[in-house]
Amino acid sequence: KQEVTQIPAALSVPEGENLVLNCSFTDSAIYNLQWFRQDPGKGLTSLLLIQSSQREQTSGRLNASLDKSSGRSTLYIAASQPGDSATYLCAVPNTGNQFYFGTGTSLTVIP
Amino acid sequence: KAGVTQTPRYLIKTRGQQVTLSCSPISGHRSVSWYQQTPGQGLQFLFEYFSETQRNKGNFPGRFSGRQFSNSRSEMNVSTLELGDSALYLCASSREPVTGYTFGSGTRLTVV
Repeated sequence: KQEVTQIPAALSVPEGENLVLNCSFTDSAIYNLQWFRQDPGKGLTSLLLIQSSQREQTSGRLNASLDKSSGRSTLYIAASQPGDSATYLCAVPNTGNQFYFGTGTSLTVIP
Repeated sequence: KAGVTQTPRYLIKTRGQQVTLSCSPISGHRSVSWYQQTPGQGLQFLFEYFSETQRNKGNFPGRFSGRQFSNSRSEMNVSTLELGDSALYLCASSREPVTGYTFGSGTRLTVV
């Protein structure tokens, strides 16, 4: 069974700092990996989707990388802003379209 | 383009009752999945439907059921509610083959 781990569980940084969130998974036979953001009490907002054939994806200040062989993905956030404060989740699907989610990283950006 | 719509947003039910939650996927998305999110267990997969057929089911008791209609809208039902069923229930839709999921805002169910 796929297991997804996210480190750190919580992170607090001053505004403007660059930061990296980590995601690791045990089964490297994935066909994509998706990063989500969740605000308190809300649903999940998709940030980036990386297909297994890709090494990275970029959207604005966000950059996600994928290393299938080592079972790792990172989400890089540049020039963090208070509005980036949220919980960030990574997820990998199995062949049955079931997502395995990490436990998330709770990010607080201090103005 | 309209996103994934879940109704209602909030529900309060009494233990022993049953509840039905609704999810309207993005137009053209035929796969609909349901997840339960609790502080203790995180996000857990309930089931996935495609073209009105349940393709996958998570490890939940039979009190949790679902269905999908011909227009891809989906409902999930929980019978004989327990206090532990209090959670945020999230629905997600995707095109087939899977090119990434879009989630709705969720239904917050509170069982008292």
